[in-house]
Amino acid sequence: DSGVTQTPKHLITATGQRVTLRCSPRSGDLSVYWYQQSLDQGLQFLIQYYNGEERAKGNILERFSAQQFPDLHSELNLSSLELGDSALYFCASSVADGVRALADSPLHFGNGTRLTVT
Amino acid sequence: AQKVTQAQTEISVVEKEDVTLDCVYETRDTTYYLFWYKQPPSGELVFLIRRNSFDEQNEISGRYSWNFQKSTSSFNFTITASQVVDSAVYFCALSDQYNDYKLSFGAGTTVTVRA
Repeated sequence: DSGVTQTPKHLITATGQRVTLRCSPRSGDLSVYWYQQSLDQGLQFLIQYYNGEERAKGNILERFSAQQFPDLHSELNLSSLELGDSALYFCASSVADGVRALADSPLHFGNGTRLTVT
Repeated sequence: AQKVTQAQTEISVVEKEDVTLDCVYETRDTTYYLFWYKQPPSGELVFLIRRNSFDEQNEISGRYSWNFQKSTSSFNFTITASQVVDSAVYFCALSDQYNDYKLSFGAGTTVTVRA
């Protein structure tokens, strides 16, 4: 058990809808990362938050947004969903930011949320 | 730009055979980290090992071993005496300063161990 909790485990919704994925980091971790795993793109970094503030953006669509709350949990909001958004969405956490995050400990991932858009 | 290449898409072996997974990386930084993650059929991503660019010492952990060679930019992973439970997708990943230490994953190698 990585200590990173993601809910829900599965999500099935229709095109055009909006969903929210939730992530609770490991106790003491300040950084939260979101990754998307799809068949055609593989594992792609989406966005990172550190202590409530956006730290870095990767290949995240404008229809997607995220935030990190004062209790450090994070939510990934996906709107105007398309069939191609079907993927496994992972959250990861680390105690620090940048190189310190990796020097102190590796990224530990949650079990993911499998999103199916029909 | 950083890049991780896992040339083997799929490997199928019979139980007790050894399996070596290749990983070749590309980076312009002198400080970087390399990782291997395992994704079993249940879907979760499990951390296996981390190596920094200054530590070329090879490592053995049980049936797992890793061979890091900076000269060839490779970080290969070997499973000795494979078991059915080793069946999974294995990802090599790189993190370097140029990309602010974000993980960049290879495409993964699917390992199937047959009984």
